[in-house]
Amino acid sequence: AQSVTQLGSHVSVSEGALVLLRCNYSSSVPPYLFWYVQYPNQGLQLLLKYTTGATLVKGINGFEAEFKKSETSFHLTKPSAHMSDAAEYFCAVSDGAEYGNKLVFGAGTILRVKS
Amino acid sequence: GAVVSQHPSRVICKSGTSVKIECRSLDFQATTMFWYRQFPKKSLMLMATSNEGSKATYEQGVEKDKFLINHASLTLSTLTVTSAHPEDSSFYICSAREGLAGPDTQYFGPGTRLTVL
Repeated sequence: AQSVTQLGSHVSVSEGALVLLRCNYSSSVPPYLFWYVQYPNQGLQLLLKYTTGATLVKGINGFEAEFKKSETSFHLTKPSAHMSDAAEYFCAVSDGAEYGNKLVFGAGTILRVKS
Repeated sequence: GAVVSQHPSRVICKSGTSVKIECRSLDFQATTMFWYRQFPKKSLMLMATSNEGSKATYEQGVEKDKFLINHASLTLSTLTVTSAHPEDSSFYICSAREGLAGPDTQYFGPGTRLTVL
């Protein structure tokens, strides 16, 4: 079975500061890993994903994440926070070994950006 | 990008009644749709996977007679909560996958807030 743990249900940063949202996963097979963002009253939007290949993946809005197999982590970072980054972020894992397998989500982290 | 809509966005109903939630893919054909339930401060939990024209596959612990899913066309799936009770109050989110694409191409709807009195 797969699982995702997001450390910190709320993270608060100042505008311009580094954003770091933590995600650890558990998977018995090589995982596919995802970060989604959800703005109020909107659907989840894919930020970035790791399937195979380069372990540092870049996504939209300046976000990136690094897959570290030895640490079973997939932390999300952004060098400089913007007010528009305030939202809820979800890390998710999928079993890449099976075509079209389902997503298992973490509990989410609400990012607050202070001016 | 691909857009998925849900209707209604909010619904309040009395205990014992049934509620239908619609999920539509607006600009693509969705061979597979997923229904999730989100509890406050908790993960999205997959309830069921529905493929167009066939019966839905329910996750363990989800009552299929309680949560009826229909995926009669390539652009519409419905979730009916039958004989709703207060414990069914939750945020329900659908997603849709286009064609034979892999798991990274799910497009999510904005969700439906169900409150059962």
